[in-house]
Amino acid sequence: GQSLEQPSEVTAVEGAIVQINCTYQTSGFYGLSWYQQHDGGAPTFLSYNGLDGLEETGRFSSFLSRSDSYGYLLLQELQMKDSASYFCAVKISSGSARQLTFGSGTQLTVLP
Amino acid sequence: DAGVIQSPRHEVTEMGQEVTLRCKPISGHDYLFWYRQTMMRGLELLIYFNNNVPIDDSGMPEDRFSAKMPNASFSTLKIQPSEPRDSAVYFCASSSQDNEKLFFGSGTQLSVL
Repeated sequence: GQSLEQPSEVTAVEGAIVQINCTYQTSGFYGLSWYQQHDGGAPTFLSYNGLDGLEETGRFSSFLSRSDSYGYLLLQELQMKDSASYFCAVKISSGSARQLTFGSGTQLTVLP
Repeated sequence: DAGVIQSPRHEVTEMGQEVTLRCKPISGHDYLFWYRQTMMRGLELLIYFNNNVPIDDSGMPEDRFSAKMPNASFSTLKIQPSEPRDSAVYFCASSSQDNEKLFFGSGTQLSVL
């Protein structure tokens, strides 16, 4: 089976840096994605790591270590609008199947 | 592009009634996914299609759930008969073959009374 672990809640202040970790156990691992979801909204794509290392997109960066089955999302210069849920998701590959399984999400609260 | 379009936005129905959720993926996308989101179970993959063909429906909870994709621009998720435990937000998402990014629709908030 598959399992993903990420913290349920994280709180930080405006302007700070926060790291949300994700560990996974799965067969057929293909890559790790991160999605953001505001209350009442739909998940929106943030980043994808298919290879080990760091991917940077503006204030957000994502890291993957396949050997450690671990990744993280780094949010810098936090803003109030970053308050949302953040989901890691593993992409698994088996034959012709390509599917995305989501973690339970981390609720980020940014305080003024 | 209008993005992934889902309808209805909200659905309130009584237990035992048939519910049909609709989705129009982004034009040109090869993959279509149906997800269900609840507080208890998070985001669960129900079924996904590749080029209109169902690839994996192992997430469909029961025979009461069925999904179709008659053409590249339309998919339905049907629940018959509906039960209160089906209450959730149902998301449709699409992606293209060479893009890891899933585009989600706005979701359908389903309440079964």
